[in-house]
Amino acid sequence: EVQLVESGGDLVQPGGSLRLSCAGSGFTFSSYEMNWVRQAPGKGLEWVSYISGSAKTIYYADSVRGRFTMSRDNAKNSLYLHMNSLRAEDTAVYYCAREYSYGYQKNYYYYMDVWGKGTTVTVSS
Amino acid sequence: EIVLTQSPGTLSMSPGERATLSCRASQSVTSSYVAWYQLKPGQAPRLLIHGASTRATGIPDRFSGSGFGTDFTLTISRLEPEDFAVYYCQHYGSSPRFTFGPGTKVDIK
Repeated sequence: EVQLVESGGDLVQPGGSLRLSCAGSGFTFSSYEMNWVRQAPGKGLEWVSYISGSAKTIYYADSVRGRFTMSRDNAKNSLYLHMNSLRAEDTAVYYCAREYSYGYQKNYYYYMDVWGKGTTVTVSS
Repeated sequence: EIVLTQSPGTLSMSPGERATLSCRASQSVTSSYVAWYQLKPGQAPRLLIHGASTRATGIPDRFSGSGFGTDFTLTISRLEPEDFAVYYCQHYGSSPRFTFGPGTKVDIK
């Protein structure tokens, strides 16, 4: 079964740090690009960051650039999100999601086809 | 940056009814970059539709997607009890990589 399982969410004080993990199983982890997406309480989904299969390319949302670092260890089928200088507005459920893309008849398709259940980060004093 | 708006914010429906959810982009977008997801509390988000109109693997045929340009629609032909949830449209872009609409909540009337 294809599965993603996040862990590492916790209550942390403003200015603190946290590392989230995402374990993949049931598929060839290194072959897929991955993303982190979050949902703040009462809010919608917000894309946070992206990493290519080889980890050579990484992108961040403006809201987290310079504070968050995304990485992966393909030998361990694991994805990470290192979060520093945390703010109250970073409080959210964080999901890891597998990206799927393909080309067909001159069109290219991009979406996230497998998601984990999320891990909760609360930033509060 | 593409901005997605969804309407209505909440749709109060009864099981068996037809639900029509709208997603509008701030400018014309490539249809193949549009997807729809279903979210329920405590569960993993579920991909429903990609490429604006292609059902994902295992998605019942009561779910359908359509649209092009700036206007996209998710239709649930006959609501089942398990369909009451929040639905998000998504666009793939260059920066940010993915943009989501604010969501439409489908609740029981």
